[in-house]
Amino acid sequence: DQQVKQNSPSLSVQEGRISILNCDYTNSMFDYFLWYKKYPAEGPTFLISISSIKDKNEDGRFTVFLNKSAKHLSLHIVPSQPGDSAVYFCAASERNTNAGKSTFGDGTTLTVKP
Amino acid sequence: EAGVAQSPRYKIIEKRQSVAFWCNPISGHATLYWYQQILGQGPKLLIQFQNNGVVDDSQLPKDRFSAERLKGVDSTLKIQPAKLEDSAVYLCASSPLWAGVTEQFFGPGTRLTVL
Repeated sequence: DQQVKQNSPSLSVQEGRISILNCDYTNSMFDYFLWYKKYPAEGPTFLISISSIKDKNEDGRFTVFLNKSAKHLSLHIVPSQPGDSAVYFCAASERNTNAGKSTFGDGTTLTVKP
Repeated sequence: EAGVAQSPRYKIIEKRQSVAFWCNPISGHATLYWYQQILGQGPKLLIQFQNNGVVDDSQLPKDRFSAERLKGVDSTLKIQPAKLEDSAVYLCASSPLWAGVTEQFFGPGTRLTVL
């Protein structure tokens, strides 16, 4: 039973437009959510996170939205750039148990076309 | 600040052989993780250490996989004997022992091919 799901394996957008990557979770105990970005032959790198006490967190071109009632979060990238082309993983944690343990989705491959 | 180091980067072995992977986390990071990432899937946690103690190894196939963290710093992950389905990228990650900090710092991974 997959607790974190990214239902879109791939997404293609034009440079300068908005990219929206989605993530759903089933475990209501998750209270901290993270997005990681992965380039080929490299490990994932942390991008942005959000606590369950917030519904939005912004960092430059990246914004994460959390809808707790729907158990859904999304990552918005505006404007999208070709260098954003990568695999994006959504991850979820229970901060007060098993400190730091995260459950990952299967990723969405974003392609930004020039 | 140096990142998480892993070696080797690539390894090809025959099934039933043994293999070991090494990880050196970021200096001062108390928590260390080993993940298995099969092609097309997200990282799956195999084992989590806090200093040199095991926090979670519920997903580690203990009949063939073993891991240790020497003196709370470096770690090795071993597979003995390997099966075809063990072909994957093995990722090591670390994080500092801070309240509220849960982002992890990943190494480049070791790509294992079992023939």
